[in-house]
Amino acid sequence: EVQLVESGGGLVQPGRSLKLSCAASGFTFSNYYMAWVRQAPKKGLEWVATISTSGSRTYYPDSVKGRFTISRDNAKSSLYLQMNSLKSEDTATYYCARPDHPGMHRHWFAYWGQGTLVTVSS
Amino acid sequence: IQLTQSPSLLSASVGDRVTLSCKGSQNINNYLAWYQQKLGEAPKLLIYNTNSLQTGIPSRFSGSGSGTDYTLTISSLQPEDVATYFCYQYNNGWTFGGGTKLELK
Repeated sequence: EVQLVESGGGLVQPGRSLKLSCAASGFTFSNYYMAWVRQAPKKGLEWVATISTSGSRTYYPDSVKGRFTISRDNAKSSLYLQMNSLKSEDTATYYCARPDHPGMHRHWFAYWGQGTLVTVSS
Repeated sequence: IQLTQSPSLLSASVGDRVTLSCKGSQNINNYLAWYQQKLGEAPKLLIYNTNSLQTGIPSRFSGSGSGTDYTLTISSLQPEDVATYFCYQYNNGWTFGGGTKLELK
């Protein structure tokens, strides 16, 4: 059974940093692109970052580019999101998401974690 | 690519045929999926590649469209379908629509 378990969320002051983790199990982690998707309270979904299978390629929307860094440790089946210079608008539930099929750049997400809440406030 | 969903709120009765719209700012080339999200839960994949039904999803859900215009149809609305629905494109980068909240009339 595919499982994605996020951790690391919490309350952080504006301008500070936070690192999220996602522990994956039930599949061969190194075969899949992985991504982070967030959802601000009572708002829609926003794609935040994607990483290729080896970690050599990363992708971000303009809203987080230069502040967030996605990474992975295939040996530990773990995904990470380093978030720097946090802003109030980064307040959201952050989901770890896995595509349906391995190795595909054009992918849709079939598996999601339960999410971890990040609150940016002084 | 930006995705615009309409309407943002839809009220319908049990048994109604319901149609949700998703319009892209550019050609999506059928690389479009639909998600259902119930309150307090993670999104759930319903449809991928415009019209392919994900395993385990009831056949009352269907997708269609081409180019920039796509539709999710629920043929006969059930009480458990109350949720927010998001479209998502993966043709050029990855983008979600703003969502349509579906409620019972």
